[in-house]
Order: sequence, then C-alpha cells, then structure tokens
Amino acid sequence: QSALSQPASVSGSPGQSITISCTGSSSDVGGYNYVSWYQQHPGKVPKLMIRDVSSRPSGVSNRFSGSKSGNTASLTISGLQPEDEADYFCSSYTSSSTRYVFGTGTKVTVL
Amino acid sequence: QVRLQQSGPGLVKPWQTLSLTCAISGDSVSTDSAAWNWIRQSSSRGLEWLGVTYYRSKWFNDYATSLESRITISPDTSKNKMSLHLNSVTPEDTAVYYCARESRSAFDYWGQGTLAIVSS
Repeated sequence: QSALSQPASVSGSPGQSITISCTGSSSDVGGYNYVSWYQQHPGKVPKLMIRDVSSRPSGVSNRFSGSKSGNTASLTISGLQPEDEADYFCSSYTSSSTRYVFGTGTKVTVL
Repeated sequence: QVRLQQSGPGLVKPWQTLSLTCAISGDSVSTDSAAWNWIRQSSSRGLEWLGVTYYRSKWFNDYATSLESRITISPDTSKNKMSLHLNSVTPEDTAVYYCARESRSAFDYWGQGTLAIVSS
C-alpha cells in the first residue's frame, strides 16, 4: 500500500488562503468518505483537524476546511496565521493491505 | 477527557521484541464505539498504521499485512490498557510509536509517543 501523495511544502503570507492536496486511489480516498487531516508541530503529537472529509471536531478553528473530488482530498486553511506553521498529514481508510493509509506530509510555512 | 499514557523501553536490541503499553483513561478499552490503534512515524517511512484492537461483542484485531507475522496487539480489560508487541525487530523498526483512539474513522486522541531505537 503506497502512501497518499501530498506536496512537500506549501507557503503563504498571513491572512492568505492555502490548499493542500492529498491524492490516492479508488481503494482509499476515492472509495470512502473517511478522509481525515492532522496538524503536527515539531516534536508534538498529531492533532485531528478534519474528519469524514469535511467535518471539524469541536475546538478546531473554522479557518480549516476539507473537501474531496474523485481520488483527491484537499485541506484549505483560510486567514493563514503564524501558528498554522506546521506539518499536515492526510489519512484515509483503505480496502487494501492496511486498514488506514497516511499521506506523505506537507510542511506549511507562513511567510 | 480521554488520555492515553504510553510506557515502555526506548532501546531494543536487534532481533528482540519491542513491547509498549498504552494506559487509557476517560474511556474504556472495551467500548463498542471506538477502536485502539498503534501508529508509528519515522523520517524514512512517514506515518504508518500498524494495527488495531477493538470490541464488538467479541474482540477483534487487524494488522498491517507487512507486519502481521511479527505483531501482536492485545487489550487488558482489568487495567484498561492495550499493548503492542513487535518481534524480531531490525533498525528499520526504529521510529516514534503512538497509540491512538479511532472514533468514526479518525484518530482523535493520541498518546505522547515513544521513540523506540533498535540498536545493539
């Protein structure tokens, strides 16, 4: 099972919006609405930001939103803030040899 | 509030068994509305799902196919915890290991992480 594909890095200025893509296949992203997104600051534990493609857990800022089209899911951060600088990972349920697969990770830099 | 507290050695010799424990508070390992997973993270392999244990009228386990000959995840209902055992480890198993609660197909609570180094 290959990892989901994400861009290595995305950057933006404070206040701007950025979008991170997460590309898989019909066996994972395209086949299930079980895509989630995680934020990880250096040396910290991953934090759930989006579940079920577009649902925000309680306490997560509404500046974070998720969507999906075909085999590609996306995370959009609007009104970018310095504290958003972190690594972001997507994850999807999969019907292949592992129950869940993760993305390769994207480093978000706030310029 | 759910809290997952990991424990276990950080250094394991090659070909020995890596054993980690995840103590659960604020929820039950026997709940029928969540599942209890192990995930690892390394710079070479990124985040990798290892396996899960969960209770749905009886206990179930599911493991990553690449590891199923070497991995065991087991619940301990008397102590409300779960354990990971990974045998015959090699340096490629060096990683930060996390336990995580899976609820509605997402990992909403994570342990603090344990850096396990495989070295002689």
